[in-house]
Amino acid sequence: RKEVEQDPGPFNVPEGATVAFNCTYSNSASQSFFWYRQDCRKEPKLLMSVYSSGNEDGRFTAQLNRASQYISLLIRDSKLSDSATYLCVVNEGGKLIFGQGTELSVKP
Amino acid sequence: DGGITQSPKYLFRKEGQNVTLSCEQNLNHDAMYWYRQDPGQGLRLIYYSQIVNDFQKGDIAEGYSVSREKKESFPLTVTSAQKNPTAFYLCASTGTPAIDTQYFGPGTRLTVL
Repeated sequence: RKEVEQDPGPFNVPEGATVAFNCTYSNSASQSFFWYRQDCRKEPKLLMSVYSSGNEDGRFTAQLNRASQYISLLIRDSKLSDSATYLCVVNEGGKLIFGQGTELSVKP
Repeated sequence: DGGITQSPKYLFRKEGQNVTLSCEQNLNHDAMYWYRQDPGQGLRLIYYSQIVNDFQKGDIAEGYSVSREKKESFPLTVTSAQKNPTAFYLCASTGTPAIDTQYFGPGTRLTVL
């Protein structure tokens, strides 16, 4: 089993759609969790941290379920500019473990 | 402006040559990391350093070497022993490895001819 596993993509959605990405992790001792966004041929950039209570930043909502070892990212009212690869990332004792990424393509 | 810089952006190398990728940060971060990314794949850790003059192997260290003589700098050498070096190389840093996230440089795209 992969340490961090994400939904396989790509996701192709129309503008305005709501899209959800899911991620599971294998190490129950993992301490912190993040979603990164990576544009084509660019470096990953932090989108948001994920807290147990859930957190929201504008159109983006992240949830963490420690019991199920599950992380999610919800994007509402998707924009063309949201097209990118979304990486689920888990911090295991100072070492970041990256999922393989889920590609999102938002179409007009 | 605080940040991480990597150079060069694109690098071409002939087989059998060593090449060194530069990574510099002015964020005053103690920890620095090197990753490799292949098309359609996630990032894999090559080496990391949590303090000056100390570094550890990551998951795919074979064929690579690093040094950490200054807090700001963490150069990566891709040696001729690395069998498949063509990839996108990313450098990152963080202030508190146990809980913080990492911030990435713009990357170096290495192609072996």
